[in-house]
Amino acid sequence: SAVISQKPSRDICQRGTSLTIQCQVDSQVTMMFWYRQQPGQSLTLIATANQGSEATYESGFVIDKFPISRPNLTFSTLTVSNMSPEDSSIYLCSVDKGLGYTFGSGTRLTVV
Amino acid sequence: AQKITQTQPGMFVQEKEAVTLDCTYDTSDQSYGLFWYKQPSSGEMIFLIYQGSYDEQNATEGRYSLNFQKARKSANLVISASQLGDSAMYFCAMREGLRSSNRKLIWGLGTSLAVNP
Repeated sequence: SAVISQKPSRDICQRGTSLTIQCQVDSQVTMMFWYRQQPGQSLTLIATANQGSEATYESGFVIDKFPISRPNLTFSTLTVSNMSPEDSSIYLCSVDKGLGYTFGSGTRLTVV
Repeated sequence: AQKITQTQPGMFVQEKEAVTLDCTYDTSDQSYGLFWYKQPSSGEMIFLIYQGSYDEQNATEGRYSLNFQKARKSANLVISASQLGDSAMYFCAMREGLRSSNRKLIWGLGTSLAVNP
């Protein structure tokens, strides 16, 4: 299985600002997944990021709000733009490596 | 309609006892995979166990076992000899079309497990 380093682990941000979350994987992976987990809820897939192509966004999520970069097979970033308190969530990246999908440790975002 | 149903929002179990967390699923695919994850209060997602639709035997990983009943479309997680550290949220997830390029997971709403000393 892969090991993912996700940064930052938590942040408190002012509304209207943006935050970029990074995920570094210790091996090459084709797909990376970005999730949002609102307080007390299950995981919701934001987008799937493939290297060398535009990310594929799920219904309800748009590139202007959640731009994603995937410059190589081991790294990806998710930006949460123009934040509002409704964006307060845990954001997780994940890769499909082996049988079980591996997750980053999560970014706990609070927007004030 | 929900594709992964976890009907138990919260469960309690006494330390050292076994507990079963329910998960039912809905799919028309013949080839699919079922996953269980644990999420402690720290927020990380920890992979526990996997069952493929063509696996003839129930999956086991240490104290975790998956009671897979294909005809009933259920994939219940059994935790034996519960420990205080098992207190967490538990999520059931499914990947449809294992032979396709679609690798998205479908998630249940989760079950919160509390282990009492």
